[in-house]
Amino acid sequence: DTAVSQTPKYLVTQMGNDKSIKCEQNLGHDTMYWYKQDSKKFLKIMFSYNNKELIINETVPNRFSPKSPDKAHLNLHINSLELGDSAVYFCASSGGRELFFGEGSRLTVL
Amino acid sequence: AQSVTQPDIHITVSEGASLELRCNYSYGATPYLFWYVQSPGQGLQLLLKYFSGDTLVQGIKGFEAEFKRSQSSFNLRKPSVHWSDAAEYFCAVGASNTDKLIFGTGTRLQVFP
Repeated sequence: DTAVSQTPKYLVTQMGNDKSIKCEQNLGHDTMYWYKQDSKKFLKIMFSYNNKELIINETVPNRFSPKSPDKAHLNLHINSLELGDSAVYFCASSGGRELFFGEGSRLTVL
Repeated sequence: AQSVTQPDIHITVSEGASLELRCNYSYGATPYLFWYVQSPGQGLQLLLKYFSGDTLVQGIKGFEAEFKRSQSSFNLRKPSVHWSDAAEYFCAVGASNTDKLIFGTGTRLQVFP
């Protein structure tokens, strides 16, 4: 009964392809996030949603499109993948100030 | 805007030795402060947090941290490190007017037997 679960855990794809990562939380939280962790382990927020509404968009290229069908799910779709998109993408949720993270989805773009 | 600095990229200690990981933040008001740990191939797990009140906070796995407003610091400590503590440690700061957490660049802890 994982609190924040992401799929897939690993994703290897070619440049120019489109891919999606799914995230679900069973904590009853209203807010969900996507963070990107680069090869140097630096963590940067990409988006946050509160009850299906976009709250934070940190100047992420519009090739990245988050979608929240309900407050328990936040998916990330990436169009026209580039080499620089290779990273680990973490989903997180929050009911207050503390974030609960998923295990991450490692995306490798060849 | 808030920011976080973790001055130590990599720290190596012997098992049983004490540990202190440094974290300095920049924020105009009282921040919300966190320490997270990331084991290889895993997500981030919350060790402890400070919102207000007692400036010495206890966390899981025997960790503690002390908020020092005068030094803008929130250093993480453990009296006796175990080999299983080897991981990446992240300090993070949040503000009252946003849900966003800003993370430091992390400190990698290596533990020798």
